[in-house]
Amino acid sequence: DTEVTQTPKHLVMGMTNKKSLKCEQHMGHRAMYWYKQKAKKPPELMFVYSYEKLSINESVPSRFSPECPNSSLLNLHLHALQPEDSALYLCASSHPLWGTASYNEQFFGPGTRLTVL
Amino acid sequence: TQLLEQSPQFLSIQEGENLTVYCNSSSVFSSLQWYRQEPGEGPVLLVTVVTGGEVKKLKRLTFQFGDARKDSSLHITAAQPGDTGLYLCAVDSGTYKYIFGTGTRLKVLA
Repeated sequence: DTEVTQTPKHLVMGMTNKKSLKCEQHMGHRAMYWYKQKAKKPPELMFVYSYEKLSINESVPSRFSPECPNSSLLNLHLHALQPEDSALYLCASSHPLWGTASYNEQFFGPGTRLTVL
Repeated sequence: TQLLEQSPQFLSIQEGENLTVYCNSSSVFSSLQWYRQEPGEGPVLLVTVVTGGEVKKLKRLTFQFGDARKDSSLHITAAQPGDTGLYLCAVDSGTYKYIFGTGTRLKVLA
């Protein structure tokens, strides 16, 4: 099973709302990622979790708050977003580099299309 | 900053034609991935190349890693409308930071 699932598929929220994006994988991967992708652009890395600990934060605004409750789940909590935060949010997972993999091969979920009004 | 330049940026071809997409950098990589992404969906991993000069085939898709491990190419034989999408190469710049190429948007017309 090489599936990463994400919910919801689509989300529309106002600038004062609080919402969460969810991601789940059951491949035994211990590294999980959040990416943001604008139309016609490559994905941009936001956060990386390794063994449930935040290892990379790419200077993301604090209105985005990641959480890794366990090795299979990854959340992204959203609060007070701006219209320019509208994008496709992608979750990915991989084996950690010092685990069973000698190279980083990431598997992506289908994404959440977020629209901020 | 490592850059992965892909060419061409856009490609619109007729069904049955062949095409090649290139991914170039001035840096050496230990591995390189190719993904295909359809609109509104996440990227799907097509292949990982690891050894310089390596050639991998996936049905009508042929992937090659340059001898010096600085570049890669993706060749599609007899393209079909189902091949339409955004093709991305990607490398790990170290410690989980994936760098994506600039992308090649392919449209195959029936």
